[in-house]
Amino acid sequence: DTAVSQTPKYLVTQMGNDKSIKCEQNLGHDTMYWYKQDSKKFLKIMFSYNNKELIINETVPNRFSPKSPDKAHLNLHINSLELGDSAVYFCASSPWEGQGGEKLFFGSGTQLSVL
Amino acid sequence: AQSVTQLDSQVPVFEEAPVELRCNYSSSVSVYLFWYVQYPNQGLQLLLKYLSGSTLVKGINGFEAEFNKSQTSFHLRKPSVHISDTAEYFCALKSNYGQNFVFGPGTRLSVLP
Repeated sequence: DTAVSQTPKYLVTQMGNDKSIKCEQNLGHDTMYWYKQDSKKFLKIMFSYNNKELIINETVPNRFSPKSPDKAHLNLHINSLELGDSAVYFCASSPWEGQGGEKLFFGSGTQLSVL
Repeated sequence: AQSVTQLDSQVPVFEEAPVELRCNYSSSVSVYLFWYVQYPNQGLQLLLKYLSGSTLVKGINGFEAEFNKSQTSFHLRKPSVHISDTAEYFCALKSNYGQNFVFGPGTRLSVLP
């Protein structure tokens, strides 16, 4: 039983296209995240949702739009893809801080390659 | 602002040798500290964490880390590494309020036969 699952695992697309990455967690956590890992392995937070509400929105181009239909899902839609968007995108979840939210559970990542 | 520094981007070490991966942090508020490991083509997994109490924290796979408040450090150690420890290691912090985790740039540990 995969705790945090994201699809697809690999995504190869042309510049200018629009694509989505889906994430689901079956841990009952209230908080979900999207992280971007660049080619140098640096991890940077993009968004965080708590119970479907946006709580962290870092400086990310507005071509990136997260959507949380319910607290178990956090999808990432990217418009007008650019070469610099190529990276590995990780979804993660954690309990809310009042519930011991001091550990992140990561998905296995989506490797996005923009050609 | 909070930040995490990992001074060594790569650490090569021979099998069965000891290793220390360095981590320093900066924060104006109290924080929780973590080490995560990323094996090739996988997501990150928690190795160990420091929340409070004893400054020496033991984690999985024989790793341990020591929290040093005066030096704002949280170095990771293992007395004898194995080939299977080859991975990327990330130090991270989280303030004890809020939900933002801040990661360091990672240290690539390569264990050589």
